[in-house]
Amino acid sequence: SQQGEEDPQALSIQEGENATMNCSYKTSINNLQWYRQNSGRGLVHLILIRSNEREKHSGRLRVTLDTSKKSSSLLITASRAADTASYFCATDSQGAQKLVFGQGTRLTINP
Amino acid sequence: GAGVSQTPSNKVTEKGKYVELRCDPISGHTALYWYRQSLGQGPEFLIYFQGTGAADDSGLPNDRFFAVRPEGSVSTLKIQRTERGDSAVYLCASSATSRTGELFFGEGSRLTVL
Repeated sequence: SQQGEEDPQALSIQEGENATMNCSYKTSINNLQWYRQNSGRGLVHLILIRSNEREKHSGRLRVTLDTSKKSSSLLITASRAADTASYFCATDSQGAQKLVFGQGTRLTINP
Repeated sequence: GAGVSQTPSNKVTEKGKYVELRCDPISGHTALYWYRQSLGQGPEFLIYFQGTGAADDSGLPNDRFFAVRPEGSVSTLKIQRTERGDSAVYLCASSATSRTGELFFGEGSRLTVL
């Protein structure tokens, strides 16, 4: 079963614009991670945010976490054509040691 | 390379046949995960190994699916009596920690059951 749900399912923007993707989950978590997947490839880890953190930055990525709303957002600033990919959030529920992935957001950056 | 290696990258088989998919994790990674991904969907958890033992196999869909990791390194996912619905990309990932941290994924094995 999927724990996280990403929103929107698909997003298409112009190069240079910012892209925001959201993730909601159902149970209490230890941490939340975001991964990227290029078409036909494996997933690549982007960033991890712990349940006691509210915001984290990594280069052009900004992740927020609101445990009261059980939601997270991933912001990619100054998007590039190479950012075109699917983005997944993944959570590990407290007491479990497996990552559960959402359905993903397909991001298309138009040159 | 030093990444997670999966073989074969593509496997086409007939309904009812037996299939083995292999995963070679990053050296020294104690945790190993198998996921299944259908087109347009997120990865679906199958099984998690910590060392040689299956710590959580709650995602295996039925008893046709089995996975082993006899020496705590390479893992094999075994599917008996394959069905067309088993067609998917099977992803393997490894992690250095016993607590859930960053997963390193392989490129996947695409299984097509005709």
